[in-house]
Amino acid sequence: GQNIDQPTEMTATEGAIVQINCTYQTSGFNGLFWYQQHAGEAPTFLSYNVLDGLEEKGRFSSFLSRSKGYSYLLLKELQMKDSASYLCAVGSTDSWGKLQFGAGTQVVVTP
Amino acid sequence: DGGITQSPKYLFRKEGQNVTLSCEQNLNHDAMYWYRQDPGQGLRLIYYSQIVNDFQKGDIAEGYSVSREKKESFPLTVTSAQKNPTAFYLCASSISGQGISPLHFGNGTRLTVT
Repeated sequence: GQNIDQPTEMTATEGAIVQINCTYQTSGFNGLFWYQQHAGEAPTFLSYNVLDGLEEKGRFSSFLSRSKGYSYLLLKELQMKDSASYLCAVGSTDSWGKLQFGAGTQVVVTP
Repeated sequence: DGGITQSPKYLFRKEGQNVTLSCEQNLNHDAMYWYRQDPGQGLRLIYYSQIVNDFQKGDIAEGYSVSREKKESFPLTVTSAQKNPTAFYLCASSISGQGISPLHFGNGTRLTVT
């Protein structure tokens, strides 16, 4: 099975940086996804990591360490519209197509 | 524009009634999925389908049924056997049933059963 842990909530100020950590335990690791979900809306894809290291996409970056079972999503230059839930999801070759999702981290951006 | 359409957005039913949630995609994706989302919990997989006329149970399939007669459509029926059906239901699709590719989600259906 898979175990995915991420903090429940984080608060940060507009313009600041926030780092959302995700730890996982899985066999047959096959990639890690980050999704953003605004309240009552569909999750939208942010990033995918399958190899160790940092992937940068504008204000958002995602890091993976497979040996540590650890990933983080870094949000820079926070904007009010970044207030949302951020979902970490892990894929495994043991369970095709069955991504295991964490409970999500609610990020609250304050003025 | 390509995307996934779920309907209706809100649905209310009485206990003991079956209800079917619609999911249609025009992305030409092979794989489709149904997830359930409850407060404080991660998305949980109900059913998934890699190709037309084939589908598999996810982690919480009891009390649900699906069909995949067309590539574009993957309706979910919540039966009266589902003990706690009130939830937010999300349909998703991905390009291929092989390997890992990003999920594209519909806007969800919020089902309330009283």
